[in-house]
Amino acid sequence: DAGVIQSPRHEVTEMGQEVTLRCKPISGHNSLFWYRQTMMRGLELLIYFNNNVPIDDSGMPEDRFSAKMPNASFSTLKIQPSEPRDSAVYFCASRGGRTGGEQYFGPGTRLTVT
Amino acid sequence: AQSVTQPDIHITVSEGASLELRCNYSYGATPYLFWYVQSPGQGLQLLLKYFSGDTLVQGIKGFEAEFKRSQSSFNLRKPSVHWSDAAEYFCAVAPMNYGGSQGNLIFGKGTKLSVKP
Repeated sequence: DAGVIQSPRHEVTEMGQEVTLRCKPISGHNSLFWYRQTMMRGLELLIYFNNNVPIDDSGMPEDRFSAKMPNASFSTLKIQPSEPRDSAVYFCASRGGRTGGEQYFGPGTRLTVT
Repeated sequence: AQSVTQPDIHITVSEGASLELRCNYSYGATPYLFWYVQSPGQGLQLLLKYFSGDTLVQGIKGFEAEFKRSQSSFNLRKPSVHWSDAAEYFCAVAPMNYGGSQGNLIFGKGTKLSVKP
């Protein structure tokens, strides 16, 4: 299995631009998570989906952030417009349906907003 | 509310020395417990997990962790550290009904491990 796939691995953009991060979960997994990691705040859960349905988006910082999961094999996290304080590493993780299943993390997307 | 505390932000040990990373959790029942490792520029990799049964669990790369209910702790140990163990380590907790719609993990702030030659 290829594991969780994220693209791009690195993104540099200017303030005000739209940014779209992509994630392909492990095949057969039915839960998907988006996290943000910064030095100041550590690892924060932004949103998670179960069976393609958003379950908890209380971690999404602002309306500028949105996430979708149109099918079981793809999810996007969009920031529009982007701001310098959005600079962080964004991780996607997926989990199988059995009770107690661990989350598997992707390699992350390092976002820099100038 | 559930929480996880990793009291040590940064630890330095000599190569070959033993290691113990501390983790305390706050939860009303016995949760599911996890340790993850993050090497620089990488995602998080699961080291080990505790669900039930034997309170001493073995993981990958020679790591083990012991669940102590009375102390609400789940400390990570390794008898002899290798230079390649230098990384950041995260403890995480999930509720006992973890699974399905109850999918969230609560992560600690992490402990950065440096290894001296």
